[in-house]
Amino acid sequence: EAAVTQSPRNKVAVTGGKVTLSCNQTNNHNNMYWYRQDTGHGLRLIHYSYGAGSTEKGDIPDGYKASRPSQENFSLILELATPSQTSVYFCASGEQGALAETLYFGSGTRLTVL
Amino acid sequence: GEQVEQRPPHLSVREGDSAFITCTYTDPNSYYFFWYKQEPGASLQLLMKVFSSTEINEGQGFTVLLNKKDKRLSLNLTAAHPGDSAAYFCAGYQGGRALIFGTGTTVSVSP
Repeated sequence: EAAVTQSPRNKVAVTGGKVTLSCNQTNNHNNMYWYRQDTGHGLRLIHYSYGAGSTEKGDIPDGYKASRPSQENFSLILELATPSQTSVYFCASGEQGALAETLYFGSGTRLTVL
Repeated sequence: GEQVEQRPPHLSVREGDSAFITCTYTDPNSYYFFWYKQEPGASLQLLMKVFSSTEINEGQGFTVLLNKKDKRLSLNLTAAHPGDSAAYFCAGYQGGRALIFGTGTTVSVSP
């Protein structure tokens, strides 16, 4: 089964501070994704990547940047954190099948911005 | 953009009863769907993949129905037990780029 590891598990940040969330996958999947999960919204796509060096904007990219320095690592960066970014963040890697891609998720990072 | 509406947001059932969750989607060309289960404080685990060519899919303790005419996907937890208590999310590919998730249903199964 896919192994996707996120760090940290929990993070408290101050408004205006910089936050970096890290994700590592060991399955050699090309595609990786960052979602945030909020009550009443389900999971919403922030950024994704097709491979090392590539990042693409998802549905809610404002206030976030992403970095994919290697096949294994995909980071989400909040340059100036705001309280509205308090959420649970999930990273996923995608296994491409014959018809479509299946996503495998990490354990999540709970971010609180004070 | 494309949307997936999931109902109900919360569901409480007794052990042995059925729990029924429905998702409706907008893109008639959607062809591949997923159900994920998320236990409290945990990540999302894949429950089932659903092809648009198969209307009825059975898993261990649940059935997934796909009604393409009505653009509706449903999950039925048959004979629910306390271990089924979790949040359930449907998801589908619409427009081809990435998964779009429903808003989730929190299921509580009491003994």
